[in-house]
Amino acid sequence: EVQLAESGGGLVQPGGSLRLSCAASGLTLSDHDMAWVRQAPGKGLEWVGRIRNKANNYPTEYAASVKGRFTISRDDSKNSLYLQMNSLKTEDTAVYYCARGSAYYDSNGYFNYYFDYWGQGTLVTVSS
Amino acid sequence: QSVLTQPPSASGTPGQRVTISCSGSSSNIGSNTVNWYQQLPGTAPKLLIYSTNQRPSGVPDRLSGSKSGTSASLALSGLQSEDEADYYCAAWDDSLNGYVFGTGTKVTVL
Repeated sequence: EVQLAESGGGLVQPGGSLRLSCAASGLTLSDHDMAWVRQAPGKGLEWVGRIRNKANNYPTEYAASVKGRFTISRDDSKNSLYLQMNSLKTEDTAVYYCARGSAYYDSNGYFNYYFDYWGQGTLVTVSS
Repeated sequence: QSVLTQPPSASGTPGQRVTISCSGSSSNIGSNTVNWYQQLPGTAPKLLIYSTNQRPSGVPDRLSGSKSGTSASLALSGLQSEDEADYYCAAWDDSLNGYVFGTGTKVTVL
């Protein structure tokens, strides 16, 4: 059974840093595209960014709202995913989910990208 | 600001059919496949529909997805009380080079 478990959330002051972890079990992390998605209190879902798998040499992509401040990394030997968050702002307050992605082009040339497994989330609160 | 627009709410009585729309553009729904997620209160999202009209194992066939041009829709047939949840569409956006979610629709079973 695939399980993803986030940790590392908490209260941090504006301008501070925090590192989230996502421990994976039941899958070989190196085979998969992984992503972070967040949800501000009472709001909708927002994609934070992704890191591609070993076969694609691990490139990363980020949402404009976090680019230059957040960094996604992975340690496949530990089956773990990370999100380093720097220069945090109050608007970064959210529940952060890690998710396993599937990414491929189908026979019609459409890009298929979706998240089939999600962690339970960890709350990050940015406040003074 | 979400680039995929959904109605904020939808409702129906048990057994009815409810349809949720998702409006996008040529750079997202028009170019790529659409996914739908269900989020029950206090829980993580769950994949309901992927690749526009495919259901993961365990998702009942009374749920179906479709798209036409730059719009997509999710249909819930035979509405049940356990369908009360928030629903989000999503797709890759070629212009933003990122994944975009819809604004979300809260479904209420009357």
